[in-house]
Amino acid sequence: KNEVEQSPQNLTAQEGEFITINCSYSVGISALHWLQQHPGGGIVSLFMLSSGKKKHGRLIATINIQEKHSSLHITASHPRDSAVYICAVATGNQFYFGTGTSLTVIP
Amino acid sequence: KAGVTQTPRYLIKTRGQQVTLSCSPISGHRSVSWYQQTPGQGLQFLFEYFSETQRNKGNFPGRFSGRQFSNSRSEMNVSTLELGDSALYLCASSSLNTRGSYNEQFFGPGTRLTVL
Repeated sequence: KNEVEQSPQNLTAQEGEFITINCSYSVGISALHWLQQHPGGGIVSLFMLSSGKKKHGRLIATINIQEKHSSLHITASHPRDSAVYICAVATGNQFYFGTGTSLTVIP
Repeated sequence: KAGVTQTPRYLIKTRGQQVTLSCSPISGHRSVSWYQQTPGQGLQFLFEYFSETQRNKGNFPGRFSGRQFSNSRSEMNVSTLELGDSALYLCASSSLNTRGSYNEQFFGPGTRLTVL
């Protein structure tokens, strides 16, 4: 049983499209993280959320604690957004990761 | 500020050997976490150190261990290497907020370990 489920696993979009990646979790959390991983392995933390909504540029992350669900939105997608997006949840003493969503944005 | 650094970046070992990986956190960060990433299992949490103490641990066998020094630099050690230990090992550093929980994690570039 996976504590964190992401969907979709793979996503291809045309440049400029609005993209949504979903994350559901089954454990009590202290925070939820959205991570971005480019080919070559480097991971960048995009957001850390414990409630509500956050926005950085074209990226928006939301979380619904009651429904144990979070979404990552990318507005006006660009080829440089092509990467794997990973949802991670922090419990009191553990981190659990989703399997990632591989996003390809075509020019 | 310099980012999180990990050494070495690449490592090849044979079964049965042991390996030590090093992680230097961002200056001022006292929490260092270690993760294993494989194509089959994805990212998995190994353990977290804060102020030289292991605070949290994932579900890995005792062959995986770590430590943290007074300058917050951390090492992880894997003994009696198995083929399945081939992976990208990532460390991340973080500061703690006033509630004692993690702030944003900053990841290093990783050490790619190949076990032959």
